Amino acid sequence: QSALTQPASVSGSPGQSITLSCTGTSSDVGSYNLVSWYQQHPGKAPKLMIYEGSKRPSGVSNRFSGSKSGNTASLTISGLQAEDEADYYCCSYAGSSTYVFGTGTKVTVL
Amino acid sequence: EVQLVESGGGLVQPGRSLRLSCAASGFTFDDYAMHWVRQAPGKGLEWVSGISWNSGSIVYADSVKGRFTISRDNAKNSLYLQMNSLRAEDMALYYCAKDSDSYGYGWHDYWGQGTLVTVSS
Repeated sequence: QSALTQPASVSGSPGQSITLSCTGTSSDVGSYNLVSWYQQHPGKAPKLMIYEGSKRPSGVSNRFSGSKSGNTASLTISGLQAEDEADYYCCSYAGSSTYVFGTGTKVTVL
Repeated sequence: EVQLVESGGGLVQPGRSLRLSCAASGFTFDDYAMHWVRQAPGKGLEWVSGISWNSGSIVYADSVKGRFTISRDNAKNSLYLQMNSLRAEDMALYYCAKDSDSYGYGWHDYWGQGTLVTVSS
């Protein structure tokens, strides 16, 4: 149950696109199409942004998109906005009804 | 509107016990698996435990196995976490989260605001 690996920080200017990575193993990310991404603003609860690797819940901006290749999942934020500044966590189903979260990435809008 | 409201957190001495509760509303509680996820101060999210819709499947992270017990009361739309033998490293904000699936084969689509557990002598 080791945490998925995410870069500690990623930054970009308004309007730019950034991509956050999430690296797991063949026992979690690589085995299931059940990677989800969460946005967390300071002092707030996490919010679901992407599920099943690339699907967006109702109400989430289409500027957020997800993908997966092998043991690595990615979240791309296009047209970066000030409100996107937050912590982002990936999460993968890891078998037997267990889950593993990523280490988290702090997104800074310059 | 889905609502998850945690309670029961507080200050507890190492080695003591605490029971967290999560009151759910706005959805058919007994249709979905539920989870506890924690976040230590300034740290990332850690999945703690999950329970299927009918309590038939219960799982724990290795870090809490043997010390924590998850349970649910579908008649009361409530989720619980009994925490025994608490350690300093258990200090965290504990979130209740709804699964998108009945058996815990999905994602965490709704979260509560969390209840803070402080472990200190």
